[in-house]
Amino acid sequence: GESVGLHLPTLSVQEGDNSIINCAYSNSASDYFIWYKQESGKGPQFIIDIRSNMDKRQGQRVTVLLNKTVKHLSLQIAATQPGDSAVYFCAENIVAAGNKLTFGGGTRVLVKP
Amino acid sequence: ETGVTQTPRHLVMGMTNKKSLKCEQHLGHNAMYWYKQSAKKPLELMFVYSLEERVENNSVPSRFSPECPNSSHLFLHLHTLQPEDSALYLCASSQARDSYNEQFFGPGTRLTVL
Repeated sequence: GESVGLHLPTLSVQEGDNSIINCAYSNSASDYFIWYKQESGKGPQFIIDIRSNMDKRQGQRVTVLLNKTVKHLSLQIAATQPGDSAVYFCAENIVAAGNKLTFGGGTRVLVKP
Repeated sequence: ETGVTQTPRHLVMGMTNKKSLKCEQHLGHNAMYWYKQSAKKPLELMFVYSLEERVENNSVPSRFSPECPNSSHLFLHLHTLQPEDSALYLCASSQARDSYNEQFFGPGTRLTVL
């Protein structure tokens, strides 16, 4: 039979606009939450992380928001650029489990010029 | 460049072949990881090595056999694979695994099993 690929939600964004990527996580015991970016032909690349006792952290053009009440994580990219086109993954880390990462399914971001 | 290299980048093998994937990290890290990224599932952890000792085998079939001869090198030996094993195999490393440490990923080996 025909194999079915993992369906990735896709976010199409106009260049210069802001992007918001969402992630629902499952484990309330997670210590850190991390966003990774994966471009075609490359491995995942660390973008930003947030510790579980924080609700917001800012980096260069990126902001991560954590809402533990509803187990929701988001990544905001300001002034999206063509180089931001990639698949973005959220991951959970439990330190007591040996720095193990559990990844979400990913969101594809397409930046339109 | 992340400091983690993987070879080969692409591999096509038959179900009766034996092949090996190689990973090398140039970061002085003590922990190394194998992940599988397939079209049907999110990225999933396969094996973890800390100071050359295997510390986790995430219910991976025995047709996948890891080897870590030193802290800089990690291999994944493959034999009698199935077509459903076709995937991108990613290696990662981190400074340690007893505290939160960023994991650095290699570019992966795209494996196709015929």
